[in-house]
Amino acid sequence: NAGVTQTPKFRILKIGQSMTLQCTQDMNHNYMYWYRQDPGMGLKLIYYSVGAGITDKGEVPNGYNVSRSTTEDFPLRLELAAPSQTSVYFCASSWAGGRTDTQYFGPGTRLTVL
Amino acid sequence: QKEVEQNSGPLSVPEGAIASLNCTYSDRGSQSFFWYRQYSGKSPELIMSIYSNGDKEDGRFTAQLNKASQYVSLLIRDSQPSDSATYLCAVGEGAQKLVFGQGTRLTINP
Repeated sequence: NAGVTQTPKFRILKIGQSMTLQCTQDMNHNYMYWYRQDPGMGLKLIYYSVGAGITDKGEVPNGYNVSRSTTEDFPLRLELAAPSQTSVYFCASSWAGGRTDTQYFGPGTRLTVL
Repeated sequence: QKEVEQNSGPLSVPEGAIASLNCTYSDRGSQSFFWYRQYSGKSPELIMSIYSNGDKEDGRFTAQLNKASQYVSLLIRDSQPSDSATYLCAVGEGAQKLVFGQGTRLTINP
């Protein structure tokens, strides 16, 4: 199993541009998550999904959109990129959201907005 | 707002010594507690999970949980240079909505 994969690994955007960060998992996990990690900081939850067609906001959703049309894929859309969105983005998945479930992380996408 | 605080780093420990990492959390309803290790430029990797009060040991790692004090810690025995990384404490009611601390950078000195 590849686990959680993310593309691209690196990206530079200009202010006002848009892009989609891709995330795919092959573990048949129901739950998927998007986090951002700013330098020297912990992870902040952007959006999460408990199954295909169901998404919900996390702590820092402004400026982002998500969709979940399949169990495997959970893309994150950035509209009108701003310098404040410069960060490392991690996608994660878990079987469910229960007490003993565990989140597994993808390798991350490093995004710079200039 | 739910908060998770970790002891400020960086923490420097001699090789072979015990490294102690601490974490406090604000939400008394929290049921799940995780320690992730993150090497520079890499993604977080789960090293320990704990759900009940007390100690849980896995090799050189011991997680300790005290729900009454809202405190969770990670001990690393016989520290190795390969343990040098940032350690993230994550707390939640389950896996669904974890709140992460800011991380503690640990350096093991040969």
